[in-house]
Amino acid sequence: NAGVTQTPKFQVLKTGQSMTLQCAQDMNHNSMYWYRQDPGMGLRLIYYSASEGTTDKGEVPNGYNVSRLNKREFSLRLESAAPSQTSVYFCASSARLGVEQFFGPGTRLTVL
Amino acid sequence: LAKTTQPISMDSYEGQEVNITCSHNNIATNDYITWYQQFPSQGPRFIIQGYKTKVTNEVASLFIPADRKSSTLSLPRVSLSDTAVYYCLVGWGGGYNKLIFGAGTRLAVHP
Repeated sequence: NAGVTQTPKFQVLKTGQSMTLQCAQDMNHNSMYWYRQDPGMGLRLIYYSASEGTTDKGEVPNGYNVSRLNKREFSLRLESAAPSQTSVYFCASSARLGVEQFFGPGTRLTVL
Repeated sequence: LAKTTQPISMDSYEGQEVNITCSHNNIATNDYITWYQQFPSQGPRFIIQGYKTKVTNEVASLFIPADRKSSTLSLPRVSLSDTAVYYCLVGWGGGYNKLIFGAGTRLAVHP
């Protein structure tokens, strides 16, 4: 089992460009999450999906959109990237909300 | 909003017991307390979760007093490989979007 996978691992964007970060899990988990982690800081929840077909805003949703494509996949889209969105993005999944989360390896995004 | 406060950093030596305390004064009735470990360039890894009193697993213990306004992660006999950042997480008590990671505690274990 691969666990939680994220693509791409690294990405450099120019201000105003758009991109989608992909996340997939093979653990048959119901809940999935997107976090960002700025240098030297803790993680902040962007969006989460309690179950297939539902998505909800987290602490810092502005500038992002998400899609729970199916039970396995949860994507994060930046419509118009800004330098303030330079960060490491982590996807996670859990069997249900509130229990142990399994994290992916992260995507390092730089917006110039 | 259940904000958490942890020490920024701690130092220890191999073989010692390490206790990391997290304050969460505004914890909600239904909130759980969860601790994660993070190594550089990796995603966090679950350590332990509890609601009240004491929880123990194969790697750590979690102590939660009756008022639940703080919690203490205890790592017995640390080794160099325990050098990492440890996060206290409070949430899921009905306000899922209020899930808050603290700033984390950087633990350095020395030989």
